[in-house]
Amino acid sequence: DSGVTQTPKHLITATGQRVTLRCSPRSGDLSVYWYQQSLDQGLQFLIQYYNGEERAKGNILERFSAQQFPDLHSELNLSSLELGDSALYFCASSAGLAGGTSNTGELFFGEGSRLTVL
Amino acid sequence: TQLLEQSPQFLSIQEGENLTVYCNSSSVFSSLQWYRQEPGEGPVLLVTVVTGGEVKKLKRLTFQFGDARKDSSLHITAAQPGDTGLYLCAGPSGNTGKLIFGQGTTLQVKP
Repeated sequence: DSGVTQTPKHLITATGQRVTLRCSPRSGDLSVYWYQQSLDQGLQFLIQYYNGEERAKGNILERFSAQQFPDLHSELNLSSLELGDSALYFCASSAGLAGGTSNTGELFFGEGSRLTVL
Repeated sequence: TQLLEQSPQFLSIQEGENLTVYCNSSSVFSSLQWYRQEPGEGPVLLVTVVTGGEVKKLKRLTFQFGDARKDSSLHITAAQPGDTGLYLCAGPSGNTGKLIFGQGTTLQVKP
């Protein structure tokens, strides 16, 4: 158990809809990262928050947005869903900007939310 | 743009065989990490290598960081069915702690 909790585990929805994925980081971790994993593109970085503020942005579509709340949980909002958005969405957390108990950026991942868009 | 390329993408071997997975980049990384992911779970860190030329062993797994810190390898001796999974290399990009990942190597070890 990594200590990172993601909900829901599975989600099936239709094109054009909007969904929200939720992540609770490990206790004490200030950084939250969102990744998308699809079969053909591997694990792609979407966005990072640190203590409530956006710190890094990857290849995140404009239809997607995220935020980190004062209690440090984070939500990833996906709107105007398309078939190609079907993927596993992972949340990861680390203690700080440089990560973990060292300066080498260990990330602790949740079990993921599997999104299927029909 | 930093990229990590892993090879091979898929590997299917018999129990007891040895194998090596490679992770290469044209960029220098301050460190590289290897994660293992099993179906239905998130990636879990196996090891971090931080010094060029460093070799780390984790039971039957041997990890090496290239002298120029642009590449890494994972060698498994006498593979077992329990080693089956997706192996991912990752490296820090920028100074915020985010990691970029290679596309992964899917390993299947048949009994």
